[in-house]
Amino acid sequence: GAVVSQHPSWVICKSGTSVKIECRSLDFQATTMFWYRQFPKQSLMLMATSNEGSKATYEQGVEKDKFLINHASLTLSTLTVTSAHPEDSSFYICSASSRAAGELFFGEGSRLTVL
Amino acid sequence: GQNIDQPTEMTATEGAIVQINCTYQTSGFNGLFWYQQHAGEAPTFLSYNVLDGLEEKGRFSSFLSRSKGYSYLLLKELQMKDSASYLCAALDSNYQLIWGAGTKLIIKP
Repeated sequence: GAVVSQHPSWVICKSGTSVKIECRSLDFQATTMFWYRQFPKQSLMLMATSNEGSKATYEQGVEKDKFLINHASLTLSTLTVTSAHPEDSSFYICSASSRAAGELFFGEGSRLTVL
Repeated sequence: GQNIDQPTEMTATEGAIVQINCTYQTSGFNGLFWYQQHAGEAPTFLSYNVLDGLEEKGRFSSFLSRSKGYSYLLLKELQMKDSASYLCAALDSNYQLIWGAGTKLIIKP
């Protein structure tokens, strides 16, 4: 089946630094990519939807300037957490879809810990 | 508004059968997904239904009734490794996924 690769799997950073997470679709062209965050024992919370070559659409309550999303190609989207703080510590997951595939595939997730 | 409802938690016995229900209300409908998620891991795809009826994949089956806005995931011959959260998600007319909060399934020996 289709594969979505997310990197890094784990990242620990100091408060105030920025962290970039990459999401790649390895064997299909992802017209749309989604970014989620998930707190322990809670469901996925959609942060933003990005279509290749256009600006991301952010969900209500998600700060655009803090969570920068770039979807420069059909196989790569990045999420940059700028000036990270301990409350940004979470599990970030990307997913990718193509209309042709008719399915949604998830990356492995990235666990961010901000000290 | 758009909404997905599923039970918060269910308990079942190893070797038994369990049915996890999901009801949805969305603006348009382009299908319903079920995902399995073990703690600390990303969700893994289980099934996708867009037409009414039952689809079977080994020990797992998924059912959809579009007129009732209802789906269920049926797990047979339960194994301990099936202990996980099961997420129901509906695809609306804009191809946005609306997620349920997930059902935590606890399997007891």
